[in-house]
Amino acid sequence: KAGVTQTPRYLIKTRGQQVTLSCSPISGHRSVSWYQQTPGQGLQFLFEYFSETQRNKGNFPGRFSGRQFSNSRSEMNVSTLELGDSALYLCASSLQFTSGTGYTFGSGTRLTVV
Amino acid sequence: ILNVEQSPQSLHVQEGDSTNFTCSFPSSNFYALHWYRWETAKSPEALFVMTLNGDEKKKGRISATLNTKEGYSYLYIKGSQPEDSATYLCALLETSGSRLTFGEGTQLTVNP
Repeated sequence: KAGVTQTPRYLIKTRGQQVTLSCSPISGHRSVSWYQQTPGQGLQFLFEYFSETQRNKGNFPGRFSGRQFSNSRSEMNVSTLELGDSALYLCASSLQFTSGTGYTFGSGTRLTVV
Repeated sequence: ILNVEQSPQSLHVQEGDSTNFTCSFPSSNFYALHWYRWETAKSPEALFVMTLNGDEKKKGRISATLNTKEGYSYLYIKGSQPEDSATYLCALLETSGSRLTFGEGTQLTVNP
């Protein structure tokens, strides 16, 4: 079956611009979560959506936002980009939070802000 | 806020060696502990999900144990192979079930 699909794979943006990243979860998975990895940092939680509702949000500024559609696809948006937003953004999907199989991750979007 | 620490940060072993690394956590107030393997240029891949104190899971040459009372989990690799080279991540799923808190990982390199 198809895995978690993230688009685009790579992105270069200028400071001050905004960006939208997309994530299509595995068919049937209703939970989608987003993580950021910057050099020297572990994976940091951004937010999680379940059935179009944001259930949890990490400690990121309001410039980071997201949403989930009725088909479970999710987007995250970063406005007024800063150099420090350069990172790998990973999306993960799961059946439900009680799943014993762990999360399935996408390949990520590598965002570079110049 | 959950706290997860992994040690060592990196490890170099020879092919055929067995190895293990540690994930420690001061609080057992979480729903599950996850282990992931993350190879360069690929996506993190789930290895194990453990929920109960004393849980032991095994997949081929890799196994993991969980001790919530003393606050640690071990990941063991028996007879390491070069293809085991990856970063191994430990993460705690909080009780809401909606957030994983990751450690910084152990980077394993297996030399042929």
